[in-house]
Amino acid sequence: EAQVTQNPRYLITVTGKKLTVTCSQNMNHEYMSWYRQDPGLGLRQIYYSMNVEVTDKGDVPEGYKVSRKEKRNFPLILESPSPNQTSLYFCASSLKGTGREQFFGPGTRLTVL
Amino acid sequence: TQLLEQSPQFLSIQEGENLTVYCNSSSVFSSLQWYRQEPGEGPVLLVTVVTGGEVKKLKRLTFQFGDARKDSSLHITAAQPGDTGLYLCAGLKTSYDKVIFGPGTSLSVIP
Repeated sequence: EAQVTQNPRYLITVTGKKLTVTCSQNMNHEYMSWYRQDPGLGLRQIYYSMNVEVTDKGDVPEGYKVSRKEKRNFPLILESPSPNQTSLYFCASSLKGTGREQFFGPGTRLTVL
Repeated sequence: TQLLEQSPQFLSIQEGENLTVYCNSSSVFSSLQWYRQEPGEGPVLLVTVVTGGEVKKLKRLTFQFGDARKDSSLHITAAQPGDTGLYLCAGLKTSYDKVIFGPGTSLSVIP
């Protein structure tokens, strides 16, 4: 089954404790992206990757890091989480850029205390 | 700055009613997508409109892209409880290879 998977689905942590949210897709998509979703603000792009070893900042990259060492994986790293990073996070993938249909993962609900 | 606005923000209607939700911007987009998101899940693409004035139909859903490619509407005929969800529009700016999402319209269809 073609899908985007994210882990964990739910995470409660404390300020300053480094964490990684994993994202994997099995559709051989070049383009992958991370979004955060907050009430009234919609989906805001954090980082995106056009292909392996190619990443770039989205609209709200502060406090986040990403890497793209393999085509299928695109982990999101929070080196020192803060309460304002409490949000619902989505990973998405598509063929060659955002003009194509993006397939979204199920989401990771993160709470930073 | 919110480049894409959606209205209404919330909509609660009875099964069988018709409704229209709107997506507006002061910017021109090369294309516009509509996604539906159900609770606990990620958004799923419904349609992409590319040409100004374009109308696309998906069963009881009708999507229209404004002539100036700055706005779009989604009309649902005879809404059903299965239509309940968050409807997101997303505008694509090809020159920046960037997609911008609106804040969404939360639709609740009551049986």
